[in-house]
Amino acid sequence: ILLTQSPGTLSLSPGERATLSCRASQSVFSDYLAWYHQKPGQAPRLLIYGASNRATGIPDRFSGSGSGTDFTLVISRLEPEDFGVFYCQQYGHSPFTFGPGTRVDL
Amino acid sequence: QVQLVQSGAEVKKPGSSVNISCRTSGGSFSTYAVSWVRQAPGQGLEWMGRIVPILGVTDYAKMFQGRVTMTADKSTNTAYMELRSLKPEDTAVYFCAREAAVVGSDPWGQGTQVTVSS
Repeated sequence: ILLTQSPGTLSLSPGERATLSCRASQSVFSDYLAWYHQKPGQAPRLLIYGASNRATGIPDRFSGSGSGTDFTLVISRLEPEDFGVFYCQQYGHSPFTFGPGTRVDL
Repeated sequence: QVQLVQSGAEVKKPGSSVNISCRTSGGSFSTYAVSWVRQAPGQGLEWMGRIVPILGVTDYAKMFQGRVTMTADKSTNTAYMELRSLKPEDTAVYFCAREAAVVGSDPWGQGTQVTVSS
């Protein structure tokens, strides 16, 4: 399953809303779609699993939605620590592919 | 709190092999899968495969089949990833992550830098 993410880069200011898109080439089994956030020099961090469930400790400004082939991550009010790259991953069908990422510049 | 701790950076010659370890502490090991993901310099994330320690079952991405072996030692809560016939384009940071069927990959190890150079 190929994943595409848009936009490639988002340039926003703290307090603004960010909307990130992830589209799959075929339906994702059981909506097993995750979002990760990666800062430079760090490992990715799980934000959302199952398309819409926040991982433990993730603030409620992060929300995920979608099903089938179209998924969205919304950051309602950007904080300075939200810069970095956001990846989606489908883990419903092997190989568990990642999208190319959306870079968020603040 | 579950933590995954990986072995240190490696510098390898082309054609050689690398073996990276990933030890789980603070939580269950055998009943979850361990995935391996790599990231070339300035690039995105690439899923390599996974192992389910309690079953000893592996699932490799096609591009690594024949060149990668993932194993697990339940007695030490440690997973291993061996990559053979290394090429300069295998230069990357290699991550392990605990994977649950519903939850995805969480947490992740800190990453291991592998540099392949003559």
